[in-house]
Amino acid sequence: DQQVKQNSPSLSVQEGRISILNCDYTNSMFDYFLWYKKYPAEGPTFLISISSIKDKNEDGRFTVFLNKSAKHLSLHIVPSQPGDSAVYFCAAIDSGTYKYIFGTGTRLKVLA
Amino acid sequence: ETGVTQSPTHLIKTRGQQVTLRCSSQSGHNTVSWYQQALGQGPQFIFQYYREEENGRGNFPPRFSGLQFPNYSSELNVNALELDDSALYLCASSPPDRPRDGYTFGSGTRLTVV
Repeated sequence: DQQVKQNSPSLSVQEGRISILNCDYTNSMFDYFLWYKKYPAEGPTFLISISSIKDKNEDGRFTVFLNKSAKHLSLHIVPSQPGDSAVYFCAAIDSGTYKYIFGTGTRLKVLA
Repeated sequence: ETGVTQSPTHLIKTRGQQVTLRCSSQSGHNTVSWYQQALGQGPQFIFQYYREEENGRGNFPPRFSGLQFPNYSSELNVNALELDDSALYLCASSPPDRPRDGYTFGSGTRLTVV
């Protein structure tokens, strides 16, 4: 029972263009969402988060959008850079807990 | 400040054996969580420790157990290893003032069960 889904296992984008990574969830009790980036041989690194009371959060080149009615969130990276090439995981937290539920990840490749 | 460090980085064990993985949390972080990441999957929550007590557990059998020490470092123990236990085991720590955000992950221990 996959409560957090990332349906695109991979994505290729040209340098300078926008990267859009998508994530869907099924549990309406999730009230906090995060994106992590993972390079090979390293642990996941926190990127950006959003509370369910918001619909947008921005940090530099990274923006996360949350559509609660559709149970969908997305991460926009503008402009994309070759150093952004990594696996991106979305994660959700059930209200009242600190347990992260991760998606299966999307491998982003930014082409120079 | 030092990050989360895990040891060993790689390990090969035989089915039926027992293994202990270690984690030193980031300075000032008092909560430690353990995750299992199988190949091609996202990390799966195993359990969390806060002030040396387990305060949350995922869908893992009792042969997965843990400890947290007074200095907030932690161990993950797995008994009666099975082939499906082969995975990357990640430790994450978080500070007391930001328990839901700001998890810092270690680089993981790659366990192979043969």
